[in-house]
Amino acid sequence: NAGVTQTPKFQVLKTGQSMTLQCAQDMNHEYMSWYRQDPGMGLRLIHYSVGAGITDQGEVPNGYNVSRSTTEDFPLRLLSAAPSQTSVYFCASRLSPSAQPQHFGDGTRLSIL
Amino acid sequence: GENVGLHLPTLSVQEGDNSIINCAYSNSASDYFIWYKQESGKGPQFIIDIRSNMDKRQGQRVTVLLNKTVKHLSLQIAATQPGDSAVYFCAENVDSSYKLIFGSGTRLLVRP
Repeated sequence: NAGVTQTPKFQVLKTGQSMTLQCAQDMNHEYMSWYRQDPGMGLRLIHYSVGAGITDQGEVPNGYNVSRSTTEDFPLRLLSAAPSQTSVYFCASRLSPSAQPQHFGDGTRLSIL
Repeated sequence: GENVGLHLPTLSVQEGDNSIINCAYSNSASDYFIWYKQESGKGPQFIIDIRSNMDKRQGQRVTVLLNKTVKHLSLQIAATQPGDSAVYFCAENVDSSYKLIFGSGTRLLVRP
């Protein structure tokens, strides 16, 4: 039972490059979300999805895009990486928007030079 | 991740003692609260939750207390063990929203 799987675990990018952070869950969860975590701060919500084909913005959506073409996958795209996007990114899922608790992946550590 | 907790408040306790970690939440409309534990290099792990119609909930060695009057949440860990060393986050879910809002976290250090 893999739960929430994130790839890659580590990535270094140059300013202006684009990349996609992958997230997959095998629990048939409707709700998925992306957070970023910066030193000394809690997790901040970037984007979320309440089901396949539906996405919405969180607290800090600028510079990121998401799509949800399947229930299992919820990729996060950085269109043009900036040093301010250096962070640890966590994907999470839960059974439905109103269900708890939320399960997290182990994160992607991203550095933008 | 590795950089979590650089500027976090820290609670240091002796192994075997009880730990109390506090959290102030912001929204009086929040109807659900969760405590997460995060170990270095790992994602947050669910510990215990409580709904706003309760003021106390107990799990195995953990208790969550909710005081809605002052918008305060606490996590009590009984007989703290070295494996409890981690960063602990509270999170609140606002009614009619699908969003979890996280606090900034507290690092718990357990002295042998």
